[in-house]
Amino acid sequence: DGGITQSPKYLFRKEGQNVTLSCEQNLNHDAMYWYRQDPGQGLRLIYYSQIVNDFQKGDIAEGYSVSREKKESFPLTVTSAQKNPTAFYLCASSTQGTQPQHFGDGTRLSIL
Amino acid sequence: SQKIEQNSEALNIQEGKTATLTCNYTNYSPAYLQWYRQDPGRGPVFLLLIRENEKEKRKERLKVTFDTTLKQSLFHITASQPADSATYLCALPGGGNAGNMLTFGGGTRLMVKP
Repeated sequence: DGGITQSPKYLFRKEGQNVTLSCEQNLNHDAMYWYRQDPGQGLRLIYYSQIVNDFQKGDIAEGYSVSREKKESFPLTVTSAQKNPTAFYLCASSTQGTQPQHFGDGTRLSIL
Repeated sequence: SQKIEQNSEALNIQEGKTATLTCNYTNYSPAYLQWYRQDPGRGPVFLLLIRENEKEKRKERLKVTFDTTLKQSLFHITASQPADSATYLCALPGGGNAGNMLTFGGGTRLMVKP
C-alpha cells in the first residue's frame, strides 16, 4: 500500500544534541512538507519541498534543517538551536497545486 | 495575514444527531478550502475540498459549505456515530510566510456519545 512512513514514533533529545526525523513516501508525490503540532494548536509549517534538491522555509524554520536528495525522502533535523523542540512532528506529501496532503503518523519528540 | 478560527471548545452531541463545525477566516477569500480529520496520536486524513465557486460539497454523510461573503465554511456530519469522534481541521492556502502553502486551523474536537 502506498503511504508515508515516519520514524521513529517517539524520540528523545538531550541538551545540545541534533536529532533527525525520517520521512519516506512511496506515493510518487513531488511535494513534501514538515509540520509541527503543539497541544491544542494547529499545524505550523516548518519546511516544504516542491521538487528534488529544492526546499523552502515555512513559518517556523529557525532551529530546523532539511534535505531533499531523493523524491521519496525528506528528513528533518532538529538542531540544538531549537530551544523548545518538544512537539508532535508531522510529515506530509502531495502532488502539486490544490491537491490534498497525505500525512504520516508523526514523531513525538521530547527532551530528556 | 490570514487567520483561521475554529471553535477550540469540544463539541459534544448525541449519536444520530447532526454535528456542525465552523471554520472562519479573516482576510481574503481563498480559492479553495480543505477539511481533515485527526485522531489522537495520528496524522490528519483528508476528507473534502471545496472551491470558491462551489457553495456545497457532499461525500456520504459529510457536507461542506463555503460562504465567501461570511468568510466561513461549515462542516456537517449527519447521523453522527461514536466513530466520528475526532478532531476536525480546516485548512486553506496562504496566510503564512510560505506563499500559497496550506495554513491549518487549530481544529475542533467532536465527541459523539452513544
